[in-house]
Amino acid sequence: GAGVSQSPSNKVTEKGKDVELRCDPISGHTALYWYRQSLGQGLEFLIYFQGNSAPDKSGLPSDRFSAERTGGSVSTLTIQRTQQEDSAVYLCASSSSSGPAYEQYFGPGTRLTVT
Amino acid sequence: AQSVAQPEDQVNVAEGNPLTVKCTYSVSGNPYLFWYVQYPNRGLQFLLKYITGDNLVKGSYGFEAEFNKSQTSFHLKKPSALVSDSALYFCAVRPLFGNNRLAFGKGNQVVVIP
Repeated sequence: GAGVSQSPSNKVTEKGKDVELRCDPISGHTALYWYRQSLGQGLEFLIYFQGNSAPDKSGLPSDRFSAERTGGSVSTLTIQRTQQEDSAVYLCASSSSSGPAYEQYFGPGTRLTVT
Repeated sequence: AQSVAQPEDQVNVAEGNPLTVKCTYSVSGNPYLFWYVQYPNRGLQFLLKYITGDNLVKGSYGFEAEFNKSQTSFHLKKPSALVSDSALYFCAVRPLFGNNRLAFGKGNQVVVIP
């Protein structure tokens, strides 16, 4: 079946512009996660959605970052007034449950470059 | 909060030799532990997980990992490395109870030398 898809695969934007990154999780997966991967820094948790519950936004680095998940499926991560330090690969993952035993399935990521 | 340490930046191993990638963790209570692999320009792929039961866990592509509670470790192993195993490997942990965050280590680059 189809895996997690993300678009665009690459995004180059000028400092100060807003960007939107999209994630399509695996059909039927109720949990959705966003991470940021910077060179040599591992994966940084950003935000987590589970069903209709309020999202866990505790990993968002600043109020310029926001995310929504419409209809319990597609999610959009928005970064306003981008800064050069926002340059990274943004990864989306989904799992069939939010339970701790369930592995997450990752998309290929969106590479964001802020010039 | 949970955390993972992967002490080596890069692991070099000759093809056919045993491969070990080290991971230690910190978490409140019992852990759920995971290993993921990332090939160039690809997303992370799940390799294996420890939930409960046997301390030795077997996963995809011939990999296994050993959970050691007293040493808070979850080292990844493969008896005979292949050149195609060259990739970035991430260890991750989350608690049995509490938040749903999966904490990742910074990753280990594995280079298998032909």
